[in-house]
Amino acid sequence: VQLVESGGGLVQPGGSLRLSCAASDFTLENYWMTWVRRAPGKGLEWVANIGKDGRDKYYVDSVKGRFTISRDNAKNSLYLQMDSLRAEDTAVYYCVRDPDFHAFDAWGQGTMVTVSS
Amino acid sequence: DIVMTQSPLSLPVTLGQSASISCRSSQSLLHSNGNTYLHWFHQRPGQSPRRLIYEVSTRDSGVPDRFSGSGSGTDFTLMISRVEAEDVGVYYCIQGSRRPPTFGPGTKVEIK
Repeated sequence: VQLVESGGGLVQPGGSLRLSCAASDFTLENYWMTWVRRAPGKGLEWVANIGKDGRDKYYVDSVKGRFTISRDNAKNSLYLQMDSLRAEDTAVYYCVRDPDFHAFDAWGQGTMVTVSS
Repeated sequence: DIVMTQSPLSLPVTLGQSASISCRSSQSLLHSNGNTYLHWFHQRPGQSPRRLIYEVSTRDSGVPDRFSGSGSGTDFTLMISRVEAEDVGVYYCIQGSRRPPTFGPGTKVEIK
């Protein structure tokens, strides 16, 4: 199982970024998928998840209305569109496979997002 | 939302000794299907988190049997027997029984 994130970087407050996650060595459409983040000096925080067919989506309250999770099973890819970014969104973002009930069994290496002027 | 707490938040241990981490939830994690979705993860410095134990006590493949999980309801424990140098890092519990999933704050394990 391999998950490879990309798209992180430095962005100004109010700006946007789109994270991507390329999945390989398993069938993406068989799994819920999740984004988890870890801010500097802090612990892990669940950000959003998406159902197998992309219809069901859930978000942590702090990103609702600003972040959008999506997937393309044909391309074995997961995405996170992040708009209206704030300094408190600064974190390493991990793409995570969720086999059931948030028992996250595979993690990517993470991509750093820095929101700063 | 269910609030997860862990104690201690910092745990200095001696190589070869045992370590115990407590995880408590603000509500029972017993799901209506009879299962309890409390999982443990370990994050070494500079690495991604890795799952150690799922559903309270089931160890993942490749995880040494020095690691064991126990508990029920709102009180859970991760036990590490015979601590080794590779066990350093931060340990997190997470509840998956109710949305949204919530992590504990983490317990940092270091070698004395």
